[in-house]
Amino acid sequence: DIQMTQSPSTLSASVGDRVTITCRASQSINSRLAWYQQKPGKAPELLIYKASRLQTGVPSSFSGSESGTEFTLTISSLQPDDFATYYCLQYYNYPFTFGPGTKVDIK
Amino acid sequence: EVQLVESGGGLVQPGGSLRLSCAASGFTFSDYYMDWARQAPGKGLEWVARIRNKVNSYTTEYAASVKGRFTISRDDSKSSLYLQMNSLKTEDTAVYFCVILIKVLGSDIVDYWGQGTLVTVSS
Repeated sequence: DIQMTQSPSTLSASVGDRVTITCRASQSINSRLAWYQQKPGKAPELLIYKASRLQTGVPSSFSGSESGTEFTLTISSLQPDDFATYYCLQYYNYPFTFGPGTKVDIK
Repeated sequence: EVQLVESGGGLVQPGGSLRLSCAASGFTFSDYYMDWARQAPGKGLEWVARIRNKVNSYTTEYAASVKGRFTISRDDSKSSLYLQMNSLKTEDTAVYFCVILIKVLGSDIVDYWGQGTLVTVSS
């Protein structure tokens, strides 16, 4: 199985900050990496797919990039609505695997 | 509008069984692969199972943690997805989501999640 690690597990930031979250896959996943945002009591929402493609309707302040098996989600200017938990997902091989999550909270 | 509505959750004893259902609407259900994912209370997300469409022979995939105990199935005539859960363990306690996971639709990607149904395995 492909293992996904994610860092940091928690991130404290202020409105307007630039935020970066990293995910690493245990092997090549051919860019089949997605990022989700989840708020308490809600279902996850897709932000980025295929490592860097922005889902329709997602603010352009979100972006994704990759370098080998390392993937990065960047929020260029954190907004109040962005405080949430973020998960990466590899969907290249079965079983699909999520990273453990990064909680972004208010500093 | 796409809707995925889960039902069938509840309290069950360890070793027991439960069948979850997902009623789908707003899209051509028979064309889509469908997934189940889950989230234990206060924990992260876990992908559980996938069933492909008729064109792909309704083949299935499972997470190692549920393989041999859970069975995913579908009824295209009812636009419904199911998850039969047997030999339940306390660690199966979670909110279970019915999901259309990152489907290519022309030049777009669609990704839909239901609101989830809570399964509690406890004596």
